[in-house]
Amino acid sequence: SQQGEEDPQALSIQEGENATMNCSYKTSINNLQWYRQNSGRGLVHLILIRSNEREKHSGRLRVTLDTSKKSSSLLITASRAADTASYFCATAGGSYIPTFGRGTSLIVHP
Amino acid sequence: ETGVTQTPRHLVMGMTNKKSLKCEQHLGHNAMYWYKQSAKKPLELMFVYSLEERVENNSVPSRFSPECPNSSHLFLHLHTLQPEDSALYLCASSRSGGGSYNEQFFGPGTRLTVL
Repeated sequence: SQQGEEDPQALSIQEGENATMNCSYKTSINNLQWYRQNSGRGLVHLILIRSNEREKHSGRLRVTLDTSKKSSSLLITASRAADTASYFCATAGGSYIPTFGRGTSLIVHP
Repeated sequence: ETGVTQTPRHLVMGMTNKKSLKCEQHLGHNAMYWYKQSAKKPLELMFVYSLEERVENNSVPSRFSPECPNSSHLFLHLHTLQPEDSALYLCASSRSGGGSYNEQFFGPGTRLTVL
């Protein structure tokens, strides 16, 4: 399955620290996306990275993609309490329909 | 506010009831999706509509019946549900096709409880 699996399942850090989440998948992809979900709400798109890209930035977010290792990472720098949420990676193959993982639950303590 | 609205936000129903979930998008997208989100499980894709035609149906029980009357509206009709169907049901929309156009915009979800 091309479904991504996030690691770790849960992450707890102090405000100001960096948070790193990883996503691994099994089959080739066209793109990989990261989403964020606040408790009990809908998902919000963060970044899309294509299979021919290696790194993308958006504000305090940095996403890397290593297609040889079939993995991606999401780095949140200088985390804030408001970054507390669940983060999901979604992989898309030939159909371009994203398939989501179970997510990483991030808690940032003030 | 993502431009995707869902109603109702909360729904409690008995196993013999019939109800419908509604989703509306104001983004000019041509693809719409239903997802089921249960605790401790990956987000489960249920149905995909592209240009008002169903393009994906992931082995969803027939007690869930989708309807897409136009590119802006999507319904999920529910009947004779089971308690294990209790979950957060999320609607999303996107432009269909590949490249940079498949970023999905999600609604806030309907929290469904089946008694």
